Amino acid sequence: ETGVTQSPTHLIKTRGQQVTLRCSSQSGHNTVSWYQQALGQGPQFIFQYYREEENGRGNFPPRFSGLQFPNYSSELNVNALELDDSALYLCASSPTPAGGDYEQYFGPGTRLTVT
Amino acid sequence: EDQVTQSPEALRLQEGESSSLNCSYTVSGLRGLFWYRQDPGKGPEFLFTLYSAGEEKEKERLKATLTKKESFLHITAPKPEDSATYLCAVQGAGSARQLTFGSGTQLTVLP
Repeated sequence: ETGVTQSPTHLIKTRGQQVTLRCSSQSGHNTVSWYQQALGQGPQFIFQYYREEENGRGNFPPRFSGLQFPNYSSELNVNALELDDSALYLCASSPTPAGGDYEQYFGPGTRLTVT
Repeated sequence: EDQVTQSPEALRLQEGESSSLNCSYTVSGLRGLFWYRQDPGKGPEFLFTLYSAGEEKEKERLKATLTKKESFLHITAPKPEDSATYLCAVQGAGSARQLTFGSGTQLTVLP
């Protein structure tokens, strides 16, 4: 069974630029959630994708957007990067959100640094 | 709004010295309470899910318990390899089943 994978591992961008992060879900999982984790804090929910549609969103501005593809992989796009966007971005996959198995399994994360 | 508070923020134990980590929560319609372990620079690793008050789960030296307001992660006779940050999260009744995390407890076990 293949776990959740994310790319790239590390990324350095300049304020105002745009970035795309990628995630492949665990085998058999069709739901992908994205989280932002600042240093010393717990992960914060950004949004979730299910059946290629956004299925819920946390308290993040519209410049954070995403996509899910037919193979359940997903992208997180951030426009107009700000210094505060520097964080570890985590992708988590799970079975259908309406099902009885609610565990979310996380990938290794992408460390984004904005200078 | 769902909220999770973990204490202590940091805990240093000698190898073999048992202790407990606390997770207090408020949530609208608890679907599940989750414990994760996170090593530096890595993604959280799933440990346990608890669904209802009174439930307990064990894995090696770890035991998680749940009441209506808090959860405890008991660590019995810890080893240095148990050093990590332990995160608690709740899943409420929202359609996305998103997790709301606490800030974690950073556990250091000294040999």
